[in-house]
Amino acid sequence: GAVVSQHPSRVICKSGTSVKIECRSLDFQATTMFWYRQFPKQSLMLMATSNEGSKATYEQGVEKDKFLINHASLTLSTLTVTSAHPEDSSFYICSARPMTSGSSYNEQFFGPGTRLTVL
Amino acid sequence: RKEVEQDPGPFNVPEGATVAFNCTYSNSASQSFFWYRQDCRKEPKLLMSVYSSGNEDGRFTAQLNRASQYISLLIRDSKLSDSATYLCAVNIRGGYQKVTFGTGTKLQVIP
Repeated sequence: GAVVSQHPSRVICKSGTSVKIECRSLDFQATTMFWYRQFPKQSLMLMATSNEGSKATYEQGVEKDKFLINHASLTLSTLTVTSAHPEDSSFYICSARPMTSGSSYNEQFFGPGTRLTVL
Repeated sequence: RKEVEQDPGPFNVPEGATVAFNCTYSNSASQSFFWYRQDCRKEPKLLMSVYSSGNEDGRFTAQLNRASQYISLLIRDSKLSDSATYLCAVNIRGGYQKVTFGTGTKLQVIP
């Protein structure tokens, strides 16, 4: 099946530092990857859509200068949380949509998530 | 009105029971529909896509009602291992085809 990995799985950092999270599709290519954030007992909230070779599309209210996204290849997207603050503490999850899913059934496969704690 | 709405539950059902969840969506242009399962502190995992004609996978049946703009998930013969949060997801075709998730319905299957 389609496997997506994320690294690191958990990170604790000091306020003001930057954290980079990697999302990789291991057995398929993905032109599009998505970055979500999930706060406790809330749903997944899409932050941005990452497209290989072009700029990411950010959802309303998400600061693009704070959450830097780089989709370097068809199997790798990174999210960098710059100058992290305690309110950025959350569960960050990426997903990838296989290139071959050209039909209307656009399944996404999720990475295991990264739990970020900013002290 | 939220784009995708679900009853948060929790639904507490005994083992062996049949349970159904509904999920309503507001955008009539929605094209693709999914049910995901999310265990506590884990990532969502695709349970099944929802096809226009309805579809079944073992004990799970998904249906789509475009006229009323809702999808449903039926779980028969509930197992303890079915305890999780079930998220519905809706995709509007076009653009980058982002998927919008509901807040999830929590299911607890009781021995």
